Amino acid sequence: ETGVTQTPRHLVMGMTNKKSLKCEQHLGHNAMYWYKQSAKKPLELMFVYNFKEQTENNSVPSRFSPECPNSSHLFLHLHTLQPEDSALYLCASSQEGGTSGRHEQYFGPGTRLTVT
Amino acid sequence: SQKIEQNSEALNIQEGKTATLTCNYTNYSPAYLQWYRQDPGRGPVFLLLIRENEKEKRKERLKVTFDTTLKQSLFHITASQPADSATYLCALYNQGGKLIFGQGTELSVKP
Repeated sequence: ETGVTQTPRHLVMGMTNKKSLKCEQHLGHNAMYWYKQSAKKPLELMFVYNFKEQTENNSVPSRFSPECPNSSHLFLHLHTLQPEDSALYLCASSQEGGTSGRHEQYFGPGTRLTVT
Repeated sequence: SQKIEQNSEALNIQEGKTATLTCNYTNYSPAYLQWYRQDPGRGPVFLLLIRENEKEKRKERLKVTFDTTLKQSLFHITASQPADSATYLCALYNQGGKLIFGQGTELSVKP
């Protein structure tokens, strides 16, 4: 298991529900990410937080709302989702900056979301 | 825009053979390229990073090459084992500094 945890692991929600996904990293990293992974498609970057500041919002619909209260925690708030939003949602973290260039990302196990 | 292409067809090989997976990219040549392993229902796990000035990188039974002229990276697993069966993802940073992923190649190693 990696140093990135996600809850819940599975979530089924109706289109009118409001739910939140939680991610926590125990690696002391300064950047956190949300990705969406649909079947047979590449990972899609949704949001990036660097030093708790959102630096990327990859044209994600407003029904997805991220929150990063500190450098260890990341949330994805969901409301009025559509069936096509059903996917595996992955959280990742990395240590950015410094002189050694780009770094690898560490992923959580993901939340399997089904929208009915 | 930056595009990554990996073989969408699954690769089936016999245990003990060398598996070779291909990652091709278009447009901007990245300074770094990464390979990840993903098992069903789990998040990707980082395997190797190779820089543009490194032609080859090794880690145990894994070897990655990076040809910036061909815009291609090859990922090799020697003496493959059934436990190596997984989907392998290629990823690179585009000009905007975002890490983008290929769709992955599924590897199946038969005993």
